[in-house]
Amino acid sequence: GAVVSQHPSRVICKSGTSVKIECRSLDFQATTMFWYRQFPKKSLMLMATSNEGSKATYEQGVEKDKFLINHASLTLSTLTVTSAHPEDSSFYICSANSDRDSSYNEQFFGPGTRLTVL
Amino acid sequence: GENVEQHPSTLSVQEGDSAVIKCTYSDSASNYFPWYKQELGKRPQLIIDIRSNVGEKKDQRIAVTLNKTAKHFSLHITETQPEDSAVYFCAASSYSTLTFGKGTMLLVSP
Repeated sequence: GAVVSQHPSRVICKSGTSVKIECRSLDFQATTMFWYRQFPKKSLMLMATSNEGSKATYEQGVEKDKFLINHASLTLSTLTVTSAHPEDSSFYICSANSDRDSSYNEQFFGPGTRLTVL
Repeated sequence: GENVEQHPSTLSVQEGDSAVIKCTYSDSASNYFPWYKQELGKRPQLIIDIRSNVGEKKDQRIAVTLNKTAKHFSLHITETQPEDSAVYFCAASSYSTLTFGKGTMLLVSP
């Protein structure tokens, strides 16, 4: 149980285009979903936290107009990288808290999306 | 906000030896401390976690200790195997938000 999927797993796009990444909780309802970015040989950096039906909370330094997050349901959150540039190339990983976890601490991670912007 | 420091950044051991990775955190409100193993290009995989009301937890070859007073926690891997080679991240959580350490690359040589 507590499986999180992410789509696509890899995407290559041209500079200036927008890319949408989907994160789904498959067998549980996610009270909160998180989006992380990970550069090569670096740690996971939290970009934003989203709750269903409300606006995402962005971490300091993350442009909300560039990284659009929509948490449309308790099982789906999307991250859209708008007007992507080569410096946006990274590994994007989502995670979710489960409604089954009374403390809501444990996060279940998606498999990640490798974005390459040419 | 929370700040998590992790050491060492790299660790090389011989197969069968023990490996210890240490982390410190700054926010006394943190109450959940997971450890993740990440292989190249893969998602972080939870290997063990500990909550603030427990001082030690063990699962076969893996153990975690927590010292709340000193705000540090450690991962212990015994009888290391080549397949333990990966990057390990500690994290601290308060109010459901995880803050990660910078990671430790563990290399286990046969």
